[in-house]
Amino acid sequence: DAMVIQNPRYQVTQFGKPVTLSCSQTLNHNVMYWYQQKSSQAPKLLFHYYDKDFNNEADTPDNFQSRRPNTSFCFLDIRSPGLGDAAMYLCATSRDTQGHRNQPQHFGDGTRLSIL
Amino acid sequence: SQQGEEDPQALSIQEGENATMNCSYKTSINNLQWYRQNSGRGLVHLILIRSNEREKHSGRLRVTLDTSKKSSSLLITASRAADTASYFCATTINAGGTSYGKLTFGQGTILTVHP
Repeated sequence: DAMVIQNPRYQVTQFGKPVTLSCSQTLNHNVMYWYQQKSSQAPKLLFHYYDKDFNNEADTPDNFQSRRPNTSFCFLDIRSPGLGDAAMYLCATSRDTQGHRNQPQHFGDGTRLSIL
Repeated sequence: SQQGEEDPQALSIQEGENATMNCSYKTSINNLQWYRQNSGRGLVHLILIRSNEREKHSGRLRVTLDTSKKSSSLLITASRAADTASYFCATTINAGGTSYGKLTFGQGTILTVHP
């Protein structure tokens, strides 16, 4: 089945130690998103790729970076995780074209990041 | 700034009852979407209603949109214990560039359906 897969489901890292979360998709969607969701809160968009074009949200800390080496894969790098970065990180995809704007997003099951 | 707000924050009902959740937003939108999130899982898209639509149905779900009041409601009829989840509304706004598909989520409603 076509889907969005996030690995790992749970990630523990140490304060200040770089960590990378991964997302892959078999939907062949051109847009990929990374969200941060803290406990009992709404998902908050960090950035998204529209094809190869990277779009950063204005309030996303510089500590967060992303890479999209190809259509199928997208990575979230946290350079120096702080205690406040503990959260669920959700990857999502959508197919957004001239003929089909604002399509629904398809989410992975997320990676829950803990900081020691 | 938060685009969507939802109420109630939490809703507890018995199986078989209907559940209604409301969402309000602040700016003009292209469409409004409802998502469901089971505990510890990702979001699942339920239904999308465009700004020129007033009502939409999908199975036991009914969504209404009132653009004059900048509000939407999600009705789940004949609820089941398996409907227990958080429900989020999300809007896409009229913007240029690559902002088309960006979703801004409401704070969500936690629905608990008791067997």
